[in-house]
Amino acid sequence: AQSVTQLDSHVSVSEGTPVLLRCNYSSSYSPSLFWYVQHPNKGLQLLLKYTSAATLVKGINGFEAEFKKSETSFHLTKPSAHMSDAAEYFCVGYVSGGYNKLIFGAGTRLAVHP
Amino acid sequence: EAGVAQSPRYKIIEKRQSVAFWCNPISGHATLYWYQQILGQGPKLLIQFQNNGVVDDSQLPKDRFSAERLKGVDSTLKIQPAKLEDSAVYLCASSSYGTGGTGELFFGEGSRLTVL
Repeated sequence: AQSVTQLDSHVSVSEGTPVLLRCNYSSSYSPSLFWYVQHPNKGLQLLLKYTSAATLVKGINGFEAEFKKSETSFHLTKPSAHMSDAAEYFCVGYVSGGYNKLIFGAGTRLAVHP
Repeated sequence: EAGVAQSPRYKIIEKRQSVAFWCNPISGHATLYWYQQILGQGPKLLIQFQNNGVVDDSQLPKDRFSAERLKGVDSTLKIQPAKLEDSAVYLCASSSYGTGGTGELFFGEGSRLTVL
């Protein structure tokens, strides 16, 4: 079955340390994948997107993600966490071919400690 | 470029009352989505429109929820009568899917519903 799976429901890091949020997908097609961030009481904001161009995608606020077909992964990284990065992150994708069905991962809550 | 507009931002009602939420998508976006997000959970798709036609409403509780997108632009989501479990944030999103875009969704700030 086509799916998007976020491997961690909660991640906790110290300010200034690297961030890794993991996302795997299952698809028979070439997927389109996105990372969104949601701060408390806000809508979802697009961080970055992969649409079959470059496999290393750079997004806003210093985030980037690498599409690895061999590992069916699209992990989100940031070299140095900031307190303002504390939020909920969603990996989202079209994995069924075309743009007719968008699948959300369950979300990863990122906590950043001083 | 103006974003997705939603109103009201907050609504408190008693159970069995009715409520309506309004969404105006980004200009030119053919696809419009309504999601329900219960506290602590990810968004759940309620209904997807392509222009003014329904693409997917399989998870819409049709006995109490209705949505329309007249003229293929703005949309209204209605709940009647509301239940306690309808307390959630209702997110509207739009995308250029269907008109040559790359399919990412642009979300509004959401409408937070509390049912007492």
